[in-house]
Amino acid sequence: DIQMTQSPSSLSASVGDRVNITCRASESIDRYLNWYQQKPGKAPKLLVYGASTLQDGVPSRFSGDGAGRDFTLTISSLQPEDFATYYCQHNYATPRFTFGPGTKVDLK
Amino acid sequence: EIHLLESGGDLVQPGGSLRLSCAASGFTFTNFAMNWVRQAPGKGLEWVSSISNVGGTTYYADSVKGRFTISRDNSKNTLVLQMDSLRVEDTALYYCAKDRGSWVRGVLDYWGQGALVTVFS
Repeated sequence: DIQMTQSPSSLSASVGDRVNITCRASESIDRYLNWYQQKPGKAPKLLVYGASTLQDGVPSRFSGDGAGRDFTLTISSLQPEDFATYYCQHNYATPRFTFGPGTKVDLK
Repeated sequence: EIHLLESGGDLVQPGGSLRLSCAASGFTFTNFAMNWVRQAPGKGLEWVSSISNVGGTTYYADSVKGRFTISRDNSKNTLVLQMDSLRVEDTALYYCAKDRGSWVRGVLDYWGQGALVTVFS
């Protein structure tokens, strides 16, 4: 099975900061990579699919990039509502949709 | 507005069974594959099972294969997860999630709020 890792596991940032979260697959997954945001006590929310396509309604300060094994989620200017845990997930080898372990973004 | 509402979560002893349901509204249910994803307390997300739009194709994680059965009733816009031979490690919040495709694509664009399953000895 394809394994997913994320770095960092957590980070502290301030409102207005640029934040980068990295996801790496154990083998090439082309661009079959999705990003989700989860706030405490809430269900996950799809942010980005196909490595770089923004889901409808997601603010443009979020962006995704990458292909093959290495991917990045960028928040260009962190807002108060963006403090959350972010998960990557591959959907390359249907249907074993492995999630990464998550990156928690909190207030510095 | 798309809405997914899980029900059926409960406390159960190891070896027991539970049936989770997910009532869908706000979209043409028969056009989309559906999924179950779980989250153990304080842990990350784990994909559990998927089913194609008309139910002809199903998939399971190795951790639940042979114990869990996914199904759907398109006439009632309902997704079901039958969970048998439950183990302590199945304790989690179980989310129902809509797929973007009619086949199982694994892009989960809408999620319910979850049903809590606790397996205790």
